[in-house]
Amino acid sequence: GDSVTQMEGPVTLSEEAFLTINCTYTATGYPSLFWYVQYPGEGLQLLLKATKADDKGSNKGFEATYRKETTSFHLEKGSVQVSDSAVYFCALRGGGGADGLTFGKGTHLIIQP
Amino acid sequence: ETGVTQTPRHLVMGMTNKKSLKCEQHLGHNAMYWYKQSAKKPLELMFVYSLEERVENNSVPSRFSPECPNSSHLFLHLHTLQPEDSALYLCASSQEGGVHEQYFGPGTRLTVT
Repeated sequence: GDSVTQMEGPVTLSEEAFLTINCTYTATGYPSLFWYVQYPGEGLQLLLKATKADDKGSNKGFEATYRKETTSFHLEKGSVQVSDSAVYFCALRGGGGADGLTFGKGTHLIIQP
Repeated sequence: ETGVTQTPRHLVMGMTNKKSLKCEQHLGHNAMYWYKQSAKKPLELMFVYSLEERVENNSVPSRFSPECPNSSHLFLHLHTLQPEDSALYLCASSQEGGVHEQYFGPGTRLTVT
């Protein structure tokens, strides 16, 4: 079956540091890939997505590129802020139909001032 | 109200109680989902409804019973739960017929005593 693997953390960085959160996946066919973010006490919010190989999703300074050759979708940001502290989830969705998402375990990111 | 709403936000129940979780989406979507989020585990898909028909049930115990009376509302009926069922229960919705992301509610924090 489908699966998503991501670093669990916690990942602790200083403000303005460069961020990379790794995500790799296993899936049949051509899945769509997502990054969601969860702030304390809230549900998940879509951060960005990519639907085919070499697509780059971007939002709020975050980027991720769909790499089919390495089955990866790493999340990056050039300069993090304290407000970026949250849990980040990588997820995939298989092709077609009303399918649920397959999630990684989530990466807890802590940004220190 | 906008987006996906869930009530109650917090629920404490004994193992012999019966309670229901409610989800409502205001996005005009035609698919809805229940997920379970437990500490240290990936989000687990529980149920999927598309056009008000259940299309997926990921081997969830019968003490969890979903109901989808229309495309905007989704319920999760709970009875004779176990302490290990304590978790955050998240509802999501999406528009089927393409590659569309899911939008999540804030969740119900359930504690079974």
